[in-house]
Amino acid sequence: AQRVTQPEKLLSVFKGAPVELKCNYSYSGSPELFWYVQYSRQRLQLLLRHISRESIKGFTADLNKGETSFHLKKPFAQEEDSAMYYCALGGSNYKLTFGKGTLLTVNP
Amino acid sequence: SAVISQKPSRDICQRGTSLTIQCQVDSQVTMMFWYRQQPGQSLTLIATANQGSEATYESGFVIDKFPISRPNLTFSTLTVSNMSPEDSSIYLCSVGGGKGANTEAFFGQGTRLTVV
Repeated sequence: AQRVTQPEKLLSVFKGAPVELKCNYSYSGSPELFWYVQYSRQRLQLLLRHISRESIKGFTADLNKGETSFHLKKPFAQEEDSAMYYCALGGSNYKLTFGKGTLLTVNP
Repeated sequence: SAVISQKPSRDICQRGTSLTIQCQVDSQVTMMFWYRQQPGQSLTLIATANQGSEATYESGFVIDKFPISRPNLTFSTLTVSNMSPEDSSIYLCSVGGGKGANTEAFFGQGTRLTVV
């Protein structure tokens, strides 16, 4: 069965500090991993996906199949990064399994 | 990207009644889904809305409780039937497989339902 684990419900850092949001997954096939973000009063939107190996808003995430992890990282957090972050596991059918989410607060 | 309009954005309903939520997409999409996000919880997939046929429900969700329609490639409805306070959640429409899209799924803004 597919499962996504985000161990931290809340994460608080100061502006300029590095941030890492953890995500581990369980999947028997070849996974497609995503990070979605939900800013206050906005809809859920895609932040990045492992296939494209891109950096969005300074965030990166590397798929580690050995550790079954897809942690989200940013070297210098900004206040506007404060949001709810969801790790998601999916496939080509656009159906997603979500983790419980991590609420990131970046303090000034 | 697909632009999704969900209506209503919020509602307060009496227990025992039903509410129908609409999801309209600005372009044709292959896949449409309905998710539920209970307070303090993650998003859970309710069902896949299939165009012209019965929806495909995930474990724990049944058609009698959550009837779904999808008459065409741009529109779907989810009904929450015979509501109880436990149905208080945010319900989200998601779509994928639009023109030029890859594996990205897009989400509506959600419908916040409170059952009293």
